[in-house]
Amino acid sequence: DVKVTQSSRYLVKRTGEKVFLECVQDMDHENMFWYRQDPGLGLRLIYFSYDVKMKEKGDIPEGYSVSREKKERFSLILESASTNQTSMYLCASSLPRQGINYGYTFGSGTRLTVV
Amino acid sequence: AQSVTQPDIHITVSEGASLELRCNYSYGATPYLFWYVQSPGQGLQLLLKYFSGDTLVQGIKGFEAEFKRSQSSFNLRKPSVHWSDAAEYFCAVGAGDFGNEKLTFGTGTRLTIIP
Repeated sequence: DVKVTQSSRYLVKRTGEKVFLECVQDMDHENMFWYRQDPGLGLRLIYFSYDVKMKEKGDIPEGYSVSREKKERFSLILESASTNQTSMYLCASSLPRQGINYGYTFGSGTRLTVV
Repeated sequence: AQSVTQPDIHITVSEGASLELRCNYSYGATPYLFWYVQSPGQGLQLLLKYFSGDTLVQGIKGFEAEFKRSQSSFNLRKPSVHWSDAAEYFCAVGAGDFGNEKLTFGTGTRLTIIP
C-alpha cells in the first residue's frame, strides 16, 4: 500500500515563526496536495503539485507557500505563522492511471497550534 | 465551480441498525465521486469511489453508495452498523483536468453509534 508520512503529528509554534510541514510518499505518485481541516468547514485545498517543481494554488493559499524539489516530498511553509492558521493539516497524494483519478491517499495529519 | 453538500452534521444510530449518509454535489459534467472515513486523530481512508458504469458501487467495510444523476446525489449506505463505524464521513467530488482532478470535500457527517 502507498504510505504518506507527515513528519509531525503535533506542533506548537509561536506567532511570527516560519513553519515547515513535511510530507513524504513512497510510491512514486505524481500528484500531491495540502489541505487544512477545520471543524464545520471540512477540508479546504491550500496548494497542490502535479510534478516536481510545479505548484498551483488551491482555494486558500494566502499565508502559505510550498516546495517540491523531489517527487516524493511536498513541503508546506507558513511564512509567518498566525493564530488563525491553527488547524489540522493533511497531506495527500494520487497517481492517475489512464486518465482516471482513483482517489487520494492521505497522511495521518499534523495538528498545528500557533500561540 | 464544483461543490458538495452534506446536510447532516451529526447522526446517531443504534448498533445493528441501517445507515444512510446523504451527499449532494454540484458539477457541470459527469463527476468523480468519493466517500472517505476519518477515525479520531487519523487521516482519511477511502471507502469507495464512482467514476463510470454501474451506479451502485461497493466499498470496504460493507459500505455501498448509489449515484443518482437526476438527484445529484451520492448517498452512502450500510445495512447494519458496528460500533467501529463511529467516525466522521466525508463526501468528495473530483473535477478538473481529466485524471488530475482536485477533490472538493463536503463538511463531513459525524456518526455516533449507541449500544
